[in-house]
Amino acid sequence: DVKVTQSSRYLVKRTGEKVFLECVQDMDHENMFWYRQDPGLGLRLIYFSYDVKMKEKGDIPEGYSVSREKKERFSLILESASTNQTSMYLCASIYGSEAFFGQGTRLTVV
Amino acid sequence: AQSVTQPDIHITVSEGASLELRCNYSYGATPYLFWYVQSPGQGLQLLLKYFSGDTLVQGIKGFEAEFKRSQSSFNLRKPSVHWSDAAEYFCAVAPPGGGNKLTFGTGTQLKVEL
Repeated sequence: DVKVTQSSRYLVKRTGEKVFLECVQDMDHENMFWYRQDPGLGLRLIYFSYDVKMKEKGDIPEGYSVSREKKERFSLILESASTNQTSMYLCASIYGSEAFFGQGTRLTVV
Repeated sequence: AQSVTQPDIHITVSEGASLELRCNYSYGATPYLFWYVQSPGQGLQLLLKYFSGDTLVQGIKGFEAEFKRSQSSFNLRKPSVHWSDAAEYFCAVAPPGGGNKLTFGTGTQLKVEL
């Protein structure tokens, strides 16, 4: 089974902090994605990557950046956390159009 | 731009009753179609997918979905719901031919009454 692991289930951060959300997959997939999930809005794509050191903006990239130094790891960075970034963050590894998700990180910014 | 509509935000059914969750999409061509389920506090799990061919597809946990090109729909069904099916369900589309950028609907929250 494909395993996608997100480093934290719950995080509480202060406004203005730099926040790192880590995601690791064990199936050597090239494609990795970060989504945020909010009630009534479904999943919205923040950033994605098709290969090491490669990144593409999704639909809502403002306030976020990403890093992909190794194939198995895709990090989401909140440069200066704000309260409107309080959300559930989901990482996915995608192969053949099928997405394999991590368990999610619920981030609260206070 | 492509979009996915799940018109029902919440649905409540009794255990043992049948279930149908609606999904409509807007796309230039027939996309790849998916249904995912999210149990509380968990990530999303793939239930089933449609790429081409037979328009009735079978998935895990007794779910099936029917693709109707004329209606741009891909509705999810289950003949008899179990209490453990209570979860949130997401319909998603990907570009035809195997693109990896998925677009998700807003989800339908299913409640099962015992």
